[in-house]
Amino acid sequence: KAGVTQTPRYLIKTRGQQVTLSCSPISGHRSVSWYQQTPGQGLQFLFEYFSETQRNKGNFPGRFSGRQFSNSRSEMNVSTLELGDSALYLCASSFFRGGTDTQYFGPGTRLTVL
Amino acid sequence: AQTVTQSQPEMSVQEAETVTLSCTYDTSESDYYLFWYKQPPSRQMILVIRQEAYKQQNATENRFSVNFQKAAKSFSLKISDSQLGDAAMYFCAYRRGSNYQLIWGAGTKLIIKP
Repeated sequence: KAGVTQTPRYLIKTRGQQVTLSCSPISGHRSVSWYQQTPGQGLQFLFEYFSETQRNKGNFPGRFSGRQFSNSRSEMNVSTLELGDSALYLCASSFFRGGTDTQYFGPGTRLTVL
Repeated sequence: AQTVTQSQPEMSVQEAETVTLSCTYDTSESDYYLFWYKQPPSRQMILVIRQEAYKQQNATENRFSVNFQKAAKSFSLKISDSQLGDAAMYFCAYRRGSNYQLIWGAGTKLIIKP
């Protein structure tokens, strides 16, 4: 079974631009979560989607948004990029059985904002 | 708010020896789950071991085991017979009930000396 895939793997943008990152979960997985990883703030939860609905949202400004499609694929969008948005963005998928349901992570998208 | 603390920014161990990574957490919830993830230089986040809070028995996965002290809110990871491939950042994470938001510690960098 293929793992979680994220595209693109690397991205360079300039301040003020907008960016869209994509995540394809493991086949059959219905929950997709997004995390931002930076050296200063560590790993922070952005949001989680299940059945095309955002179930949870972290403490990020409205410039960060996401969506999930009927095939469980998810995208996140960051508008009006700032230098501080430079980070590794990780996507995780799970089957959503509750309990210790494991979240499997993709390789991440490295975003650099110049 | 729940928090996760990893007090050891870096640990080193001789190959084939045993090392313990510390993690403490703060929560008022009774239904929660704890995880250890490993992030090697490739940046792919990999689940090492997980523990349900309602289980008294400590989880074990091959050379990896945890010491879960619920009253003390402590969740340490023991790696036995350390191997060069164990070198990575190790993150402790907490999840409340069926909420799929992971709350992360700052991580511990594990160095394996040959």
